[in-house]
Amino acid sequence: DQQVKQNSPSLSVQEGRISILNCDYTNSMFDYFLWYKKYPAEGPTFLISISSIKDKNEDGRFTVFLNKSAKHLSLHIVPSQPGDSAVYFCAASANAGKSTFGDGTTLTVKP
Amino acid sequence: DVKVTQSSRYLVKRTGEKVFLECVQDMDHENMFWYRQDPGLGLRLIYFSYDVKMKEKGDIPEGYSVSREKKERFSLILESASTNQTSMYLCASSRVQGMNTEAFFGQGTRLTVV
Repeated sequence: DQQVKQNSPSLSVQEGRISILNCDYTNSMFDYFLWYKKYPAEGPTFLISISSIKDKNEDGRFTVFLNKSAKHLSLHIVPSQPGDSAVYFCAASANAGKSTFGDGTTLTVKP
Repeated sequence: DVKVTQSSRYLVKRTGEKVFLECVQDMDHENMFWYRQDPGLGLRLIYFSYDVKMKEKGDIPEGYSVSREKKERFSLILESASTNQTSMYLCASSRVQGMNTEAFFGQGTRLTVV
């Protein structure tokens, strides 16, 4: 049973527009959510996180929104840049334990 | 600046060989993890460790074992490599158990078993 799902394997957007990456989870015990970015031949790097006591967290061009009732979170990138092209992983943890990752979404930002 | 270093970027091994993947972190992190990444399957946790000599199974431990003799080093062992263990292996570390914190990943080891 996959507890963290990213239903869109890929997303393509034009430079300067908004990128919206989505993530759904099933485990109501998850209380901390993270997004990681991964370039080819590199390990994932942390991007942004949100605690379940919040519904929004912003860091520069990146904003994560959490809808606990829907068990859904999204990552907004505005404006999108070609350097944002990468695989994005959503992750979730419960009680400060280990993280469970989604399958990833490949974002392509076209110049 | 946190650094997690995996000993090899690319490895090619034969079926049945015993394979060691090494990982070292330099920030005194308590937690260390081994994941594998496969297309369409995301990152799956193999084993993790909260302290020296402590280990816990992740979601897919079969065919693997681990060793953590020193805090900074976490080794993944494939007891008898098989072709279905061809994958990208990622080591990660994070600060302390009981804290919400991000993980820091190594650059990955692309293992091919022939």
